[in-house]
Amino acid sequence: DAKTTQPPSMDCAEGRAANLPCNHSTISGNEYVYWYRQIHSQGPQYIIHGLKNNETNEMASLIITEDRKSSTLILPHATLRDTAVYYCPQTPVSGGYQKVTFGTGTKLQVIP
Amino acid sequence: DSGVTQTPKHLITATGQRVTLRCSPRSGDLSVYWYQQSLDQGLQFLIQYYNGEERAKGNILERFSAQQFPDLHSELNLSSLELGDSALYFCASSARGSRGTDTQYFGPGTRLTVL
Repeated sequence: DAKTTQPPSMDCAEGRAANLPCNHSTISGNEYVYWYRQIHSQGPQYIIHGLKNNETNEMASLIITEDRKSSTLILPHATLRDTAVYYCPQTPVSGGYQKVTFGTGTKLQVIP
Repeated sequence: DSGVTQTPKHLITATGQRVTLRCSPRSGDLSVYWYQQSLDQGLQFLIQYYNGEERAKGNILERFSAQQFPDLHSELNLSSLELGDSALYFCASSARGSRGTDTQYFGPGTRLTVL
């Protein structure tokens, strides 16, 4: 199964950028990098995804290294509501087959 | 609100019993996924269905089974329940996106407590 590596926890001051890293040492060419977050015990929420290029949407930016072995999720101005567990599962692009491994994620604590 | 609904929200039962968890995907989504999340653990993939057919299987116990019905809703059946089955169970659904990707949208979960 595809596995990613993330730091178990991080702190970020409110209003500052939060940079969450993820290592995808086993990523293959047909796998996208996805980021989700889970606030408390709610259902995980989609944030952003990408294949090779950097991506930005209204929630965050995603930086993917050229070899695709690592990615960074950037929350440009973290708020208290961004306190959550962040996951970066590798997700294959195929005919609906999705044995996705979420791992244990990074617990981000935004500090006032 | 993701558009994925799960019932019931909470379920308390005894060891040895059988329960059924229900999931309704977002309108138009053909894929349904089930995940288990034990206390302070990550999400464990259980099984995926696509348009009524099983597509991928994770570490799902033999005591657990699932199915997806013609109207695309799905049920996860858990039998011979043990204390260790106490967990949050999430359902997610997805539709094929324009880049061939399948973003998953998660329901609010069912919290199962086995006493």
